[in-house]
Amino acid sequence: AQTVTQSQPEMSVQEAETVTLSCTYDTSENNYYLFWYKQPPSRQMILVIRQEAYKQQNATENRFSVNFQKAAKSFSLKISDSQLGDTAMYFCALGAQGGSEKLVFGKGTKLTVNP
Amino acid sequence: EPEVTQTPSHQVTQMGQEVILRCVPISNHLYFYWYRQILGQKVEFLVSFYNNEISEKSEIFDDQFSVERPDGSNFTLKIRSTKLEDSAMYFCASTWGTGTEKLFFGSGTQLSVL
Repeated sequence: AQTVTQSQPEMSVQEAETVTLSCTYDTSENNYYLFWYKQPPSRQMILVIRQEAYKQQNATENRFSVNFQKAAKSFSLKISDSQLGDTAMYFCALGAQGGSEKLVFGKGTKLTVNP
Repeated sequence: EPEVTQTPSHQVTQMGQEVILRCVPISNHLYFYWYRQILGQKVEFLVSFYNNEISEKSEIFDDQFSVERPDGSNFTLKIRSTKLEDSAMYFCASTWGTGTEKLFFGSGTQLSVL
């Protein structure tokens, strides 16, 4: 069974600072994908960043980057230059390659960016 | 950017009633999904749908649930006899392929069962 664990229920950061959200996972698959989704108060699910497990290079999307440690099954999200609009729930998710694209989500981390 | 559209945004129903949640996936997508999120909890997979049939379903997706793609654009989730514990945000998602592709989520339907 695939599992995703986010050990930080809540975090806060000052505007313009950097914050890192943690995620660990477990899977028996060799090929899989990891995702970070943002859920603002509107509750829409917005894809922030995606990492393919077979790629060693860490994914980056503007101010968002990941630290993917495959052996440790760790997938943390770093947000640089935090903005007020980054305030949201952040969910880590795991999906196996191929098949039905079913995602397994963590419980989420509530991030608050303070002015 | 194209969007997955869900209607209604909020649905209130009485326990035991049937509800249909509607979704319009992105037009060239082939794989469709329903997820749900009980308030304060994680997002949970319900069902995936491809080529007019269910590909995979979770334990949550029991006989009270059904999905349908009645035409070329809509994708519906029906709950035949709602229970209090069905109260949740229901998300529709779609993608054009598996594996390397990403899921596009709709903005959700908040279902409240009274």
